[in-house]
Amino acid sequence: DADVTQTPRNRITKTGKRIMLECSQTKGHDRMYWYRQDPGLGLRLIYYSFDVKDINKGEISDGYSVSRQAQAKFSLSLESAIPNQTALYFCATSDRASGSQEQYFGPGTRLTVT
Amino acid sequence: LAKTTQPISMDSYEGQEVNITCSHNNIATNDYITWYQQFPSQGPRFIIQGYKTKVTNEVASLFIPADRKSSTLSLPRVSLSDTAVYYCLVGPRNSGNTPLVFGKGTRLSVIA
Repeated sequence: DADVTQTPRNRITKTGKRIMLECSQTKGHDRMYWYRQDPGLGLRLIYYSFDVKDINKGEISDGYSVSRQAQAKFSLSLESAIPNQTALYFCATSDRASGSQEQYFGPGTRLTVT
Repeated sequence: LAKTTQPISMDSYEGQEVNITCSHNNIATNDYITWYQQFPSQGPRFIIQGYKTKVTNEVASLFIPADRKSSTLSLPRVSLSDTAVYYCLVGPRNSGNTPLVFGKGTRLSVIA
């Protein structure tokens, strides 16, 4: 089983709809991240959480919200989806105790807003 | 966090050694250099991390000069399957309280 899972893997939704993307991990890591990737723009950080009670905005948090329900779960919500939120979304985890910068990424969720 | 600059794209033939250089002029004393690889429609994958001199693993080598203002990722004898985007990141070893910035990376195309 994958260590970092994302659901759904693909989603098509209409403008104005609320949508939630979910991320779960079995690695026991304390840190979790949500990224967005658009063609040619690399990865941009939306939100990150360094532990269950810690939530921080990233570079492009406008239009998004997150919830860290447990150490293993980190959800990303689009309260009212708009077409320019069409992108590939990645969840990632890392372990502060490892002393490494290594992040482990999920398979991604491809979101299309029409 | 130190700003990084790397080429937007590179092309190489199969079997050649590929060197991708990253500039990070304002690297801090406690910063490490980390490289990730990303295949199309997949999440990035950690390749290698180093602080100074040379680090080698089964995938790549990382060369860091004494002044640490740049670093070079070396991929020996590339194959078509090495076609990917490569990201250079600089920051404290455990990211401290600030997450790392991925940037746009270098798109490597390996040609048969």
